[in-house]
Amino acid sequence: AQKVTQAQTEISVVEKEDVTLDCVYETRDTTYYLFWYKQPPSGELVFLIRRNSFDEQNEISGRYSWNFQKSTSSFNFTITASQVVDSAVYFCALSGDSNYQLIWGAGTKLIIKP
Amino acid sequence: EAQVTQNPRYLITVTGKKLTVTCSQNMNHEYMSWYRQDPGLGLRQIYYSMNVEVTDKGDVPEGYKVSRKEKRNFPLILESPSPNQTSLYFCASRVAGGTRGETQYFGPGTRLLVL
Repeated sequence: AQKVTQAQTEISVVEKEDVTLDCVYETRDTTYYLFWYKQPPSGELVFLIRRNSFDEQNEISGRYSWNFQKSTSSFNFTITASQVVDSAVYFCALSGDSNYQLIWGAGTKLIIKP
Repeated sequence: EAQVTQNPRYLITVTGKKLTVTCSQNMNHEYMSWYRQDPGLGLRQIYYSMNVEVTDKGDVPEGYKVSRKEKRNFPLILESPSPNQTSLYFCASRVAGGTRGETQYFGPGTRLLVL
């Protein structure tokens, strides 16, 4: 069975702090894909990143970075120098090669205080 | 602009009154899907469609119907809405070919309140 766990329900930090959102996944598929989506207070779902299981290189995009570690089945997301606009719910999701379904974590609500 | 659109964005209705939420995408995607999002439960898939005239149940299909008569449209139908269908609904689309890990793109969401 496939599963995504985001153990942090809510995180609150002060602006400019770095923050890491954890994502742990379970799958039996050899080939799989991991995603992060952002849901700001306005409600839409914004795609942030997609990673396949054969690419363990860390990814950096501006203040955002992702650390993919197959050994620990984790795909963590770090925001450096957080800003108030980063306040949102962040979802980690998994898609295995055995089916098209996207398995979602429960989400982490990130609150950035000014 | 490549996008997934949903209408209406907000809807208040009463129990038992049939309603349809429309979804349309302009990316020529084969795969389309409906999700509902509820507090503490994350996103759960209602139905999905691999292509025209091909639909299948997701995790929570009870009380919903879908149809896929055209590639770009995938309406969600609630024949007899009940208060437990009050939720935030998302439509999504992606290519069906290539890998199974293609990115899904989401509509803006429809907030439904059933009284």
